Amino acid sequence: EVQLVESGGGLVKPGGSLRLSCAASGFTFSSYSMNWVRQAPGKGLEWVSSISSSSSYIYYADSVKGRFTISRDNAKNSLYLQMNSLRAEDTAVYYCARPTVTTYAFDIWGQGTMVTVSS
Amino acid sequence: EIVMTQSPATLSVSPGERATLSCRASQSVSSNLAWYQQKPGQAPRLLIYGASTRATGIPARFSGSGSGTEFTLTISSLQSEDFAVYYCQQYNNWPPKYTFGQGTKLEIK
Repeated sequence: EVQLVESGGGLVKPGGSLRLSCAASGFTFSSYSMNWVRQAPGKGLEWVSSISSSSSYIYYADSVKGRFTISRDNAKNSLYLQMNSLRAEDTAVYYCARPTVTTYAFDIWGQGTMVTVSS
Repeated sequence: EIVMTQSPATLSVSPGERATLSCRASQSVSSNLAWYQQKPGQAPRLLIYGASTRATGIPARFSGSGSGTEFTLTISSLQSEDFAVYYCQQYNNWPPKYTFGQGTKLEIK
């Protein structure tokens, strides 16, 4: 079964850091670019970051650039998001998402991990 | 940044009837447009990509159309499980700055 499982969410104070992980299984992880998408409580979806299959190309939304770092370990079938200088507006469910083979639409999503930034 | 605008914000439709949801892009995204369904407490589910191609396992009552800046998701005969929030997403940018619409909530009339 194709699956993505996120972990690492929790409660953190403003200015703090958190590292999210996404474990992939059931497909050849190293062949796909990967993404993080977030959703603030009661709000819509926001793309956060993308990383190419070999980590050669990395992109961020303007809202997180300079604070978040995406990375991956193909040997461990894992995707990561290092989040620094966290703000209240970063509070959201964070999903990892895989694109389809032929497009950048996201056909596989994890269940999400909640990040709460509050004092 | 390409802004995606969905309308209406809320759509009330009776089971068995047709629902038509709209999505407009602030500039052309060609056919690089996807539709997702999201139910409370769940991750989004891909319905349509390439503006009109159904994803694996999606029932034929879901159809997508449009290109450029105007797109439509049609659900031909609403089932109880179709009441949810629907999002459109463009993936036309390079480098990527994928953007989503704000969502349309489809509710039971």
